[in-house]
Amino acid sequence: AQSVTQLGSHVSVSEGALVLLRCNYSSSVPPYLFWYVQYPNQGLQLLLKYTSAATLVKGINGFEAEFKKSETSFHLTKPSAHMSDAAEYFCAVSDGGYQKVTFGTGTKLQVIP
Amino acid sequence: GAGVSQSPRYKVAKRGQDVALRCDPISGHVSLFWYQQALGQGPEFLTYFQNEAQLDKSGLPSDRFFAERPEGSVSTLKIQRTQQEDSAVYLCASSGTGATNEKLFFGSGTQLSVL
Repeated sequence: AQSVTQLGSHVSVSEGALVLLRCNYSSSVPPYLFWYVQYPNQGLQLLLKYTSAATLVKGINGFEAEFKKSETSFHLTKPSAHMSDAAEYFCAVSDGGYQKVTFGTGTKLQVIP
Repeated sequence: GAGVSQSPRYKVAKRGQDVALRCDPISGHVSLFWYQQALGQGPEFLTYFQNEAQLDKSGLPSDRFFAERPEGSVSTLKIQRTQQEDSAVYLCASSGTGATNEKLFFGSGTQLSVL
């Protein structure tokens, strides 16, 4: 069975500071990994995805994530936080089937001016 | 349409009432998913359609939950005899062909409150 664990349900950073949201996965097969963002009263939007190509994946809005098989991690980073980055972020995993995706419990990012 | 549309946006039901939630996927999208998101949790898979065929319903919590997509486009999630534990946001998502590396498009969800 596949699963993801997101460390920290709430993360606060100052505007301009590094954003680091942690995600560890468990999968019996090489996984597909995703980060989604959810703004208030909006649907989930795909930030980026790893599908066994390059281990460093670049997404929208300046976010990137690195797949580390040895650590079973897929942490999300952004060098400099912007106020508009305040949202809830979900890490997700798929076993390579038809997109039956398993989500983590989410991390709410607060950006302090 | 431009995106995945869900209606109603909010639904309040009395315990024991039946409800029907509608999803209009992006036109032409083959794959359609329903997810349930409880307060403070990540979305959890309910069921998956490829065109009109329901290929996976392993996430439906009980036989009170029923989903259909009769013509391979609009889908309805029906919950019979609602219970308080059914209170959640119900999300619909669609994608073009269903390939794993393809992007899922999510609707804004229907927030169901069972009193």
